[in-house]
Amino acid sequence: DVKVTQSSRYLVKRTGEKVFLECVQDMDHENMFWYRQDPGLGLRLIYFSYDVKMKEKGDIPEGYSVSREKKERFSLILESASTNQTSMYLCASSIPGTGGQYEQYFGPGTRLTVT
Amino acid sequence: ILNVEQSPQSLHVQEGDSTNFTCSFPSSNFYALHWYRWETAKSPEALFVMTLNGDEKKKGRISATLNTKEGYSYLYIKGSQPEDSATYLCAFIPGNQFYFGTGTSLTVIP
Repeated sequence: DVKVTQSSRYLVKRTGEKVFLECVQDMDHENMFWYRQDPGLGLRLIYFSYDVKMKEKGDIPEGYSVSREKKERFSLILESASTNQTSMYLCASSIPGTGGQYEQYFGPGTRLTVT
Repeated sequence: ILNVEQSPQSLHVQEGDSTNFTCSFPSSNFYALHWYRWETAKSPEALFVMTLNGDEKKKGRISATLNTKEGYSYLYIKGSQPEDSATYLCAFIPGNQFYFGTGTSLTVIP
C-alpha cells in the first residue's frame, strides 16, 4: 500500500512566521506534488518535483518555496506566512510517466491557519 | 490555468438511488482524465484513470465514461450507499500537469 504522510493535520501559525510542511512517501516515487485547496476552487498546484533536488513551479508558486533533498521527502516552505495562505495543503506522489497515465497518491492534508 | 468544471456542486440522494455527475474539460490537447474520491478526514483516492475516447471503466457500483471529442466525462453510481458519501474530483491532464475540478459533494441519506 502506498503511503503518503504529512507532518501535521492541523497547524496554526502567526503572520510572518516561516512555516515548513513536510511530506514523506514510502513507495520510491520520483514525482511529488504540493497542492492547496480552497472553498469553491479545485486543487491548485503550487510546486512539483520529478527528482531529487529538482523543482518546477505550478500555477500558484508565489509566497512558497520547496525542498527535495531526498527522494522520499518533499517540503513546502512558506517563507513569511500571510493570512491568505490559510488553506488545506495536500501532498501527492506518483510514479514517473508522461501524459497522466498514472494516478496520484495523496496524503491526508494539512489544514493551515495563519492568524 | 485551464478550466475544469464539475456539476452539480453538491448532491443529496436517498440510499438506493442511482446518480451521476459530470466533469467538463477542454477538448483539445487531451492526454488523460482521472476521477478521485475524497472522503472526509481521509486522503483522496483514485477511482479511474481514463486515456482513450470512448473509455468506460467500472469498479463495483461505480462507473465512468469519457468523451474527449466533446470534452466531458460522466461518473455513475448505481444504488448509492451511505459509504459513497464523499467529494468526487476529476482531473484533466493535457500534458504533465493535473488540473482539478472543484468537485461534486455527494451525500447519501440512509
